[in-house]
Amino acid sequence: EADIYQTPRYLVIGTGKKITLECSQTMGHDKMYWYQQDPGMELHLIHYSYGVNSTEKGDLSSESTVSRIRTEHFPLTLESARPSHTSQYLCASSGSGFTGDLNEQFFGPGTRLTVL
Amino acid sequence: KNQVEQSPQSLIILEGKNCTLQCNYTVSPFSNLRWYKQDTGRGPVSLTIMTFSENTKSNGRYTATLDADTKQSSLHITASQLSDSASYICVVSDRGSTLGRLYFGRGTQLTVWP
Repeated sequence: EADIYQTPRYLVIGTGKKITLECSQTMGHDKMYWYQQDPGMELHLIHYSYGVNSTEKGDLSSESTVSRIRTEHFPLTLESARPSHTSQYLCASSGSGFTGDLNEQFFGPGTRLTVL
Repeated sequence: KNQVEQSPQSLIILEGKNCTLQCNYTVSPFSNLRWYKQDTGRGPVSLTIMTFSENTKSNGRYTATLDADTKQSSLHITASQLSDSASYICVVSDRGSTLGRLYFGRGTQLTVWP
């Protein structure tokens, strides 16, 4: 089983609260990713990182922010949560390699966020 | 536009039966195609991965096929078990970016009944 962890697994909060979703991996992977997934829909990339101090926005616009201070840690923060942020958030990581290589992305179990 | 389409959207079969899930893609330039299994409330787990030169790959009771000319793939599950109930996601990677961007289908929701 892939060693990538997400906490909390479930979070129910009120509108306007600041939240941080944690993601950690113990595989020494350089690349890390955050995806957003709504029920019955495809995963959408919202943030990614090539390594420490590298963060980029993904395909889907998101009001969240990320940081990458340590290789193993890639937290996602929402400064002021809204009901439209209700979704499942999946973190993933992959090793270094050449363009379009076979490096598999290993996914965490996800955080189910509900904003009331 | 790079897209991945899967069919059927959902499928119900009886335990012990076989089934085949379909995936069509328009991702270009193509690098590889993966099938993931995603249990409810969990992250996706890789089942198979195939490159342009491979046309079949097996993983236990799961067999994936790839036709790079028609840009189609299928996932065949034999002798289904209750634990096979999950969403099966087709994912295609391009080789046009340093990130190795992944394009996800919406998945086929498989339910296996006893």
